Amino acid sequence: SAVISQKPSRDICQRGTSLTIQCQVDSQVTMMFWYRQQPGQSLTLIATANQGSEATYESGFVIDKFPISRPNLTFSTLTVSNMSPEDSSIYLCSVAPGGRRYEQYFGPGTRLTVT
Amino acid sequence: KQEVTQIPAALSVPEGENLVLNCSFTDSAIYNLQWFRQDPGKGLTSLLLIQSSQREQTSGRLNASLDKSSGRSTLYIAASQPGDSATYLCAVTQDTGRRALTFGSGTRLQVQP
Repeated sequence: SAVISQKPSRDICQRGTSLTIQCQVDSQVTMMFWYRQQPGQSLTLIATANQGSEATYESGFVIDKFPISRPNLTFSTLTVSNMSPEDSSIYLCSVAPGGRRYEQYFGPGTRLTVT
Repeated sequence: KQEVTQIPAALSVPEGENLVLNCSFTDSAIYNLQWFRQDPGKGLTSLLLIQSSQREQTSGRLNASLDKSSGRSTLYIAASQPGDSATYLCAVTQDTGRRALTFGSGTRLQVQP
């Protein structure tokens, strides 16, 4: 398994500003993902954070809006840029520590409210 | 494109009942299936993972089954307790090398004391 922490746990931000969310894992992991959970909905994958290269984004998500960094195998950041109220969501990072099971573990999430 | 559906969307039962949550997926070429629990405003806790070659997994009062060919999984909760109240999410990983999860919309469970 893996222990994942996220910062901040929650934030209230003004429209037009940006917020950077940090994800820290207690062990080196190959695969790290960022998901979004809009109010009352299930989780949607934003991107796969690749160590040492650009993130792989899902349809509907772009790097200019959600830039991602992955400087090493234990840390990643997701920035939500030029925020609007529609960005109000819970943002979660997850990891798949490896081996053949590809079991995924999730951080506690960051609850973002944009006013 | 994989689609995951969960039925029912919400369920309320009295304490002590056995219950079944259903999950279906459209593309049977999956690598594994995971069941998660999410408490309000919190992250996800992994409950059970079933590999595509397996038929079921058990952990305590929880039993998950997988019928890959028909695109279905069930989560069985025995002797439900108020502490089981949460949203239960089903998610699949495709057998394509892309290891991200596709989630269902969840079943919101309330167990009445």
